[in-house]
Amino acid sequence: DIVMTQSPLSLPVTPGEPASISCRSSQSLLHSNGFNYLDWYLQKPGQSPQLLIYFGSNRASGVPDRFSGSGSGTDFTLRISRVEAEDVGLYYCMQTLQTRITFGPGTRVDF
Amino acid sequence: QIQLQQSGPGLVKPSQTLSLACAISGDSVSTDTAAWNWIRQSPSRGLEWLGRTYYRSKWYNDYALSVKSRLTIRADTSNNHVSLHLNSVTPEDTAIYYCARGNPGSGVLDYWGQGTLVTVSS
Repeated sequence: DIVMTQSPLSLPVTPGEPASISCRSSQSLLHSNGFNYLDWYLQKPGQSPQLLIYFGSNRASGVPDRFSGSGSGTDFTLRISRVEAEDVGLYYCMQTLQTRITFGPGTRVDF
Repeated sequence: QIQLQQSGPGLVKPSQTLSLACAISGDSVSTDTAAWNWIRQSPSRGLEWLGRTYYRSKWYNDYALSVKSRLTIRADTSNNHVSLHLNSVTPEDTAIYYCARGNPGSGVLDYWGQGTLVTVSS
C-alpha cells in the first residue's frame, strides 16, 4: 500500500495569516492520464470529513478560493491564503491512485 | 441531494460481528458511476479505508488487507443501502465508522455518512 505522510502534524495559525500543509506519498500519484490522484479533506470538529481539493489542485464545489492545492508525483501542498475561524480542524491528504485508498495521519489546525 | 444515513449498534461484544447499514438517498446503490466505501477512524489508526462495493454489470468488492479475512460489504438493492459486516471483533476495532460514496472517475469520496461510534467491549 502507498504510505502517506504529512507535516506538520500540528499547526497553530493566526486569523488572516497564511498557512500551508505538506503531504508526501511513498510512490508517485501521477497517473498516465496526467492527473495526480491526491485529495485533501477537512474534518471540522464533530463532523465527517469534507472534500476540499481533488486531483491535487482542483477545488471541490463550494470550497472558498482561499484554499489551493499544488504539487505532483510524490510531493503536495495545501495552502490557505488567509486563515479564517471556520478553517480549524483536521486536514487529511488521501491517495486514490491504488484501489486500496490510504490517508495521511492528519494535520491539526487550530488557533 | 445525495445523503447517506448510517444505522447500527454502538456497542458490540468481543468475538461478535459488527454490522452497520448505510441508507442511500438521491442515488442508487447499483449505479455504475459510483462505489460505496466504508472507512473508520480511531485515535491509534487515524482514517483507515476498509473496503468498497460497486456495480459494473456485476458486483465487485475490494477490501483492505488488514481486515480482508473478517470483512464483508454487501449491497441491498431492494432497500438501496450498503452494509458492513466485520466478524471476530476485538477492542482494536473500536472506532467511528463512516460510509462514503466514491467517484470512480476522480477517486474522491464526495459524500459521507454522519459516522457511527462503535465500541467493542464486554
